[in-house]
This record gives sequence, structure tokens and C-alpha cells, in this order.
Amino acid sequence: GAGVSQSPRYKVAKRGQDVALRCDPISGHVSLFWYQQALGQGPEFLTYFQNEAQLDKSGLPSDRFFAERPEGSVSTLKIQRTQQEDSAVYLCASSLVDDYEQYFGPGTRLTVT
Amino acid sequence: DQQVKQNSPSLSVQEGRISILNCDYTNSMFDYFLWYKKYPAEGPTFLISISSIKDKNEDGRFTVFLNKSAKHLSLHIVPSQPGDSAVYFCAVGNTGKLIFGQGTTLQVKP
Repeated sequence: GAGVSQSPRYKVAKRGQDVALRCDPISGHVSLFWYQQALGQGPEFLTYFQNEAQLDKSGLPSDRFFAERPEGSVSTLKIQRTQQEDSAVYLCASSLVDDYEQYFGPGTRLTVT
Repeated sequence: DQQVKQNSPSLSVQEGRISILNCDYTNSMFDYFLWYKKYPAEGPTFLISISSIKDKNEDGRFTVFLNKSAKHLSLHIVPSQPGDSAVYFCAVGNTGKLIFGQGTTLQVKP
């Protein structure tokens, strides 16, 4: 079956632009996670949905970051007024409810110039 | 302050020998631990996990050991194969989310 897909795979944005990153989870997976991975580091948690409910957004670094999952399936991570420090790989993962075994997408590499 | 640490950024091993990757964590309340493997330009892939009620879990060539008193986790790969060359992340499960270490790059030489 299809895994987690993310689009675009690569995004270059000028500083100050808004970007939107999309995640299509595995069909039937209730939980959806966003992580940010800086170069040479492990993924860091951003936010977590169970169906359409955003249960934890404690990892979002600022109010410029916003995530939604309106119908409990596809999710979008939006970053407003991008800054150079936002350059990273953004990973999406999904899982069955209450399962730590998360399935990751390939990530979106965001470069802010 | 990092809650999960992988102190070795890289490890090189000869094909057929054992690879041992290590991970330390700070919070004794953590109760679920995982290892992920990552190839370039791909997302992490789940490898093996262990809960705090066990001290060992085995899956083929991969074994994870948990030492709760030392707050230490290790992954053993025996025998190592060139296809195992990748970045390995340990992670702990905490209130739904995963907390990752910085990763260890394993190179298995033919």
C-alpha cells in the first residue's frame, strides 16, 4: 500500500514569503505528526493531531507556524514570513492511534534565502 | 537540554562483525524506546522497539537492550552488512510524540 507522501519535496522561499507544506498520511492512520529536522540533528517534534483535533502544538517554534488537518486526513503545515532559521527538512509521520511506531514520509526540504 | 543523547556521531565496522550503537536518556519516567534507520533523502524507517518492562528485544539480526538503572539503550546488529550503512536514531515515546537523539552514522565496510 501507499506510504506517507509529502509535497513539495523541495521548496526554496525568499525570506518573508509564506509557505505551505502538505502531508498525505497512510489511509486509516488516526494520528499525524510534524517534525523539523535541522542538518546533523535528529527530528524535533512540532505538533500532533488525532483525527482533526490538534492535541499538542507545544513544539511549534513561533506563532508564524500553523498546522491544520480539517478533515482528519491530509494535513498542511504553514509557515508565515519565513526566516533563514526555518531552513530544515520538515517530516510528517502517521500512526495508528496510541502507537509509537510512526511511519515517516520522505520530508520537504525548505531552504529560505 | 537534550533528553536523548547519542554520543557517537559515527561508527565504522567491517562486514560480518557486530555493530553496537548506544543511546542515553535523562528521564526515568520514559517507558517506550525505539530505533529508526534513515537513508539519505528518505524519512526515518522504524527498526525495532522495546518497552520498559523488558530488557531485551530481538528481531533477526537486530537486538535492542535496555538498562533502566543506567538509563541506557543499545542496538546490536549481528552480522553487519553493507546495506546497514545509514544513520540510526534512537527515540523515546513520550505522551504520543517521539523524542529523538542526534543520530549515529554507521558505515559497514565490505
